[in-house]
Amino acid sequence: AQRVTQPEKLLSVFKGAPVELKCNYSYSGSPELFWYVQYSRQRLQLLLRHISRESIKGFTADLNKGETSFHLKKPFAQEEDSAMYYCALSPNAGGTSYGKLTFGQGTILTVHP
Amino acid sequence: NAGVTQTPKFQVLKTGQSMTLQCAQDMNHEYMSWYRQDPGMGLRLIHYSVGAGITDQGEVPNGYNVSRSTTEDFPLRLLSAAPSQTSVYFCASRTTGSNQPQHFGDGTRLSIL
Repeated sequence: AQRVTQPEKLLSVFKGAPVELKCNYSYSGSPELFWYVQYSRQRLQLLLRHISRESIKGFTADLNKGETSFHLKKPFAQEEDSAMYYCALSPNAGGTSYGKLTFGQGTILTVHP
Repeated sequence: NAGVTQTPKFQVLKTGQSMTLQCAQDMNHEYMSWYRQDPGMGLRLIHYSVGAGITDQGEVPNGYNVSRSTTEDFPLRLLSAAPSQTSVYFCASRTTGSNQPQHFGDGTRLSIL
């Protein structure tokens, strides 16, 4: 069975500082990996997916299969980045994932002015 | 498009009562899922569906029933509410194919007394 671990429940940084939210996973196949964000009083929304290799709102995440990690990074944090961040994995067996997500415990990021 | 719509937004029940959480999506997505969100545990999959008439259990299915009579609707039924089911419930949908993101509803905050 797959597992996603976010070791930090809380993370506080000052505005302009770099931020890294850690995510480690265990899965024997080729996973689909995502970062979701939940801003205060808003619904959960997709931030990044590993397949896209894109930067969204200044955030990037690289899949490291050797270390089974998918850490989320941003070089200069902004106050509006304060939110709950979830790393999530969807198993992909032979190209079929069915959309079943396994979430990490979540990390609350607070960016202080 | 409204996306994924959940009703009600809030509900208080007494132990032993039953109720149905409603979920509807207007994106013609085949896959739909129900998750519960609990502090320190992230989101956990309750039940999911890969199409009308097809449902399956997730990680924490006990005490919940689902059905999928149409593509649009995926209601979640609590058969006999227990305090352990106090949680925030999220419905999600996604299209078929690999690496597709989930679209979440606003959630239902449920308290069982």
